[in-house]
Amino acid sequence: GQQVMQIPQYQHVQEGEDFTTYCNSSTTLSNIQWYKQRPGGHPVFLIQLVKSGEVKKQKRLTFQFGEAKKNSSLHITATQTTDVGTYFCAGASGYSTLTFGKGTMLLVSP
Amino acid sequence: NAGVTQTPKFRILKIGQSMTLQCAQDMNHNYMYWYRQDPGMGLKLIYYSVGAGITDKGEVPNGYNVSRSTTEDFPLRLELAAPSQTSVYFCASSYGGRPAEFFGPGTRLTVL
Repeated sequence: GQQVMQIPQYQHVQEGEDFTTYCNSSTTLSNIQWYKQRPGGHPVFLIQLVKSGEVKKQKRLTFQFGEAKKNSSLHITATQTTDVGTYFCAGASGYSTLTFGKGTMLLVSP
Repeated sequence: NAGVTQTPKFRILKIGQSMTLQCAQDMNHNYMYWYRQDPGMGLKLIYYSVGAGITDKGEVPNGYNVSRSTTEDFPLRLELAAPSQTSVYFCASSYGGRPAEFFGPGTRLTVL
């Protein structure tokens, strides 16, 4: 079955440093979603990427979908303490439902 | 709008007991989902529904049942609870073919 791997599992940065998490799929995806989950909270939908090579920005967050539609990345510029949480990618192939990665936990020290 | 609501927030069950996790949304979304999240893991889809009267299995449906008699409500039934069902359960909804966009606050279930 479809597998979605995320790296790193965990990253601890100083406030102001950049952060990147990567998502890799075993199969070609039709789309990929990114979510953020604060400790003890519920997942919050951030964005959907659909097109090959697509790049989308939300303030300090940059999302990218690979040309082959098998990988994606989320980059945060100049992290803030409010960025703390676990970031999940979730991919879909064709009309299948989403497969979530295990997430990257981000810790930001002031 | 209340968004997606879930009850209860916490529950402890004994092995073999049954319970229903409630989920409701007031956004008129046709798609609804039930996910479970084990510690340190991503979300796994249990069941989903694309509209009232239509449900389908996800990745981990064994031990669970669902129904969708109205657009608003999507309850999840656990029959004969087992320790392996200890998890956090999230209900989510979306409109049309959009991915799961709106999540409820979750139900933390422990089976002892």
